Amino acid sequence: AQSVTQLDSQVPVFEEAPVELRCNYSSSVSVYLFWYVQYPNQGLQLLLKYLSGSTLVESINGFEAEFNKSQTSFHLRKPSVHISDTAEYFCAVRRAAGNKLTFGGGTRVLVKP
Amino acid sequence: ETGVTQSPTHLIKTRGQQVTLRCSSQSGHNTVSWYQQALGQGPQFIFQYYREEENGRGNFPPRFSGLQFPNYSSELNVNALELDDSALYLCASSLGAGGDYGYTFGSGTRLTVV
Repeated sequence: AQSVTQLDSQVPVFEEAPVELRCNYSSSVSVYLFWYVQYPNQGLQLLLKYLSGSTLVESINGFEAEFNKSQTSFHLRKPSVHISDTAEYFCAVRRAAGNKLTFGGGTRVLVKP
Repeated sequence: ETGVTQSPTHLIKTRGQQVTLRCSSQSGHNTVSWYQQALGQGPQFIFQYYREEENGRGNFPPRFSGLQFPNYSSELNVNALELDDSALYLCASSLGAGGDYGYTFGSGTRLTVV
């Protein structure tokens, strides 16, 4: 079975400051890794994913995440946040041959002006 | 291209009642997964339907059941509602049941059991 731990439940950050959201996972088999964002009263939107290849993946809105197999981590970073980045962020894993996503508990990001 | 549509958006039910939630998958997607997201927690996998057959189930009791129709839309049924069933129920569709297919989530149905 897989599990996902998001080490911070809440991260307050000032506008234009950098942010890092930490995600660690455990799995005995190969996994795919995902970050989803959830805005208030909405569903989940895929932010970025790691399937294979380059360990650094980027999204179109400035987020990036790095897969570190030895540390079983997939931390999410953004060098400069905007007010509109206020949301809850979920890290998730799925077995490469599996069909279900296992989510972490989420990290709530509050961007302050 | 339409996304994933869920109905209703909000629902209030009494303990012991039964509820049916509906999901229309994204055009071209043949797989639907259902997740339960309790307040302040990450989503939990309930089950998945692929080509009208259940294709995996999470740790949920049998009173949680589902259907997938020939047009790939889906229903989630919950019998004998309990207070702990209060949650946001999310539907996700995908082009296939596994592999590197991406999942498109709907906005969810918020169920409150009183």
